Amino acid sequence: KAGVTQTPRYLIKTRGQQVTLSCSPISGHRSVSWYQQTPGQGLQFLFEYFSETQRNKGNFPGRFSGRQFSNSRSEMNVSTLELGDSALYLCASSQLQGFGGTGELFFGEGSRLTVL
Amino acid sequence: KQEVTQIPAALSVPEGENLVLNCSFTDSAIYNLQWFRQDPGKGLTSLLLIQSSQREQTSGRLNASLDKSSGRSTLYIAASQPGDSATYLCAVNSGNTPLVFGKGTRLSVIA
Repeated sequence: KAGVTQTPRYLIKTRGQQVTLSCSPISGHRSVSWYQQTPGQGLQFLFEYFSETQRNKGNFPGRFSGRQFSNSRSEMNVSTLELGDSALYLCASSQLQGFGGTGELFFGEGSRLTVL
Repeated sequence: KQEVTQIPAALSVPEGENLVLNCSFTDSAIYNLQWFRQDPGKGLTSLLLIQSSQREQTSGRLNASLDKSSGRSTLYIAASQPGDSATYLCAVNSGNTPLVFGKGTRLSVIA
């Protein structure tokens, strides 16, 4: 069974540009979450999607957006890039449990974004 | 608001030693708790998931316990090996909200 796949793995952008990251979840998983990881802040939650609907959203500016497609694949976009957006962006997929929360999370290898 | 703390932040042990990593959380109303491992520059690998109704879970040399009433979980690693060197994170699931992660414990196992 294939794991969570994130593309691209590495990318370099300059300030002011925009970037789109892609995530393909484990087959059968309909919940996809995105996290930003930096050395100083640790793991910070960006947003979660389930069945093409945003279920939860973290405390990030509107420059960060995401969407989920009918096949559960998800993309996140960051517009007007800033130096501080340099980070490892991680995607995770899961199945929802009966209580409505996420089940066991499975992460991809991440997309390393460097903003110059 | 749920807060998750992991102590110590870093730990260095000789190969072969048994060790315990700690995770504490402020709100005991959780549904499950998950332990992850992260190697430098990589994604997170799920190690163990403990449901709120369980007291512990085991996988190979790893054993995770959960004490909801005291807001604590421990990850026990038996007979540590250099390949166990990584950052270990715990994450708490409190329901229909995002998981809350600790900042992790960076483990170094010295050969």
